[in-house]
Amino acid sequence: DAMVIQNPRYQVTQFGKPVTLSCSQTLNHNVMYWYQQKSSQAPKLLFHYYDKDFNNEADTPDNFQSRRPNTSFCFLDIRSPGLGDAAMYLCATSGGRGSYEQYFGPGTRLTVT
Amino acid sequence: GENVEQHPSTLSVQEGDSAVIKCTYSDSASNYFPWYKQELGKGPQLIIDIRSNVGEKKDQRIAVTLNKTAKHFSLHITETQPEDSAVYFCAASPNNAGNMLTFGGGTRLMVKP
Repeated sequence: DAMVIQNPRYQVTQFGKPVTLSCSQTLNHNVMYWYQQKSSQAPKLLFHYYDKDFNNEADTPDNFQSRRPNTSFCFLDIRSPGLGDAAMYLCATSGGRGSYEQYFGPGTRLTVT
Repeated sequence: GENVEQHPSTLSVQEGDSAVIKCTYSDSASNYFPWYKQELGKGPQLIIDIRSNVGEKKDQRIAVTLNKTAKHFSLHITETQPEDSAVYFCAASPNNAGNMLTFGGGTRLMVKP
């Protein structure tokens, strides 16, 4: 019944060691988003895909990359995690084309040691 | 760009009382206003939304009102229950292809039994 699935739910990585977070969706939505959320703050958009078109937010660090190999899957790659990258990472989807609702996954809690 | 302010940042009510959370936005092009509930350790859950052609929308114990002239919208929860305790985020979105959301800062609602 899950619509937006994120794996893993908890990820521990070492300082500087690359890490990949994954998101999949069963909604067949055109748009997929990655957000970073730190404690007691609102989600902050990192980037989004509209179909295969990648859109990066101006203040997203180069350390963050994303891949969307097909409609259902999207990946967040953090090339060299720093202590400041510890956060909850949220994936969301939207139908696009006038379909306004965004649906979020459960998130991946990233810890950097 | 859009700026969304949300008040109060924390709200404590007695079970059975009503709770009201208010948001203001700056961009008159925004025409979609969702509300999300986020429980600890989970992703945001869409609980209600309103489009700019409607002034009020209700779903059981929750309702949202929109005043486009004044650029503010509010979430009303009646007959609050302990399970309503969570962080609530408002957001605003213009009518664009990416359905981008600008979030308010969040309100931590505590319902005391």
